[in-house]
Amino acid sequence: GENVEQHPSTLSVQEGDSAVIKCTYSDSASNYFPWYKQELGKGPQLIIDIRSNVGEKKDQRIAVTLNKTAKHFSLHITETQPEDSAVYFCAASKGAGGTSYGKLTFGQGTILTVHP
Amino acid sequence: DGGITQSPKYLFRKEGQNVTLSCEQNLNHDAMYWYRQDPGQGLRLIYYSQIVNDFQKGDIAEGYSVSREKKESFPLTVTSAQKNPTAFYLCASSTSRDDTEAFFGQGTRLTVV
Repeated sequence: GENVEQHPSTLSVQEGDSAVIKCTYSDSASNYFPWYKQELGKGPQLIIDIRSNVGEKKDQRIAVTLNKTAKHFSLHITETQPEDSAVYFCAASKGAGGTSYGKLTFGQGTILTVHP
Repeated sequence: DGGITQSPKYLFRKEGQNVTLSCEQNLNHDAMYWYRQDPGQGLRLIYYSQIVNDFQKGDIAEGYSVSREKKESFPLTVTSAQKNPTAFYLCASSTSRDDTEAFFGQGTRLTVV
């Protein structure tokens, strides 16, 4: 089955710096790669996702890049703010149609701390 | 106000008892999922259902059971056969559209003593 590795496990940055989290996946058939943000005691919230026909996607301060050949994808957060502090998870999925997009294999998570 | 509702938020049970976690969605989503999260780890898929009256095992289904009698409901039963039931349980749902995403509930923290 699919295996997703996520690094680093913890990341500490100063407010205004950039943060980068990297993930690798094992199954070349995976075609959907979401990133979730989880605050303490809450459920994960999607912050950005990318599909395998796209190499990069950006939404304001957040961007995701995908390298299908190397089977890795990364989350980039620019101009970090204290409210960005949370646990971030990458995930991968394969299959056709939306009912496959919740069948996810998750990375282990990155605890991001943004210091004011 | 559409969303996924998990109840209760906290649940305590004695060892050896079965317990059922509720998940309801009013998003008219076709698919629903159950995940388990242990401290410091990612989420792992327990069961999923892509259509009413049908469900499949995920990666860690042993000791769990589900039903999908209604589109909006996907309850999870943690049985006494589950060796380490204490965890944070998350329910999610998604549509059948190609541009969909999976939406998560707020979770139920189950503690077995």
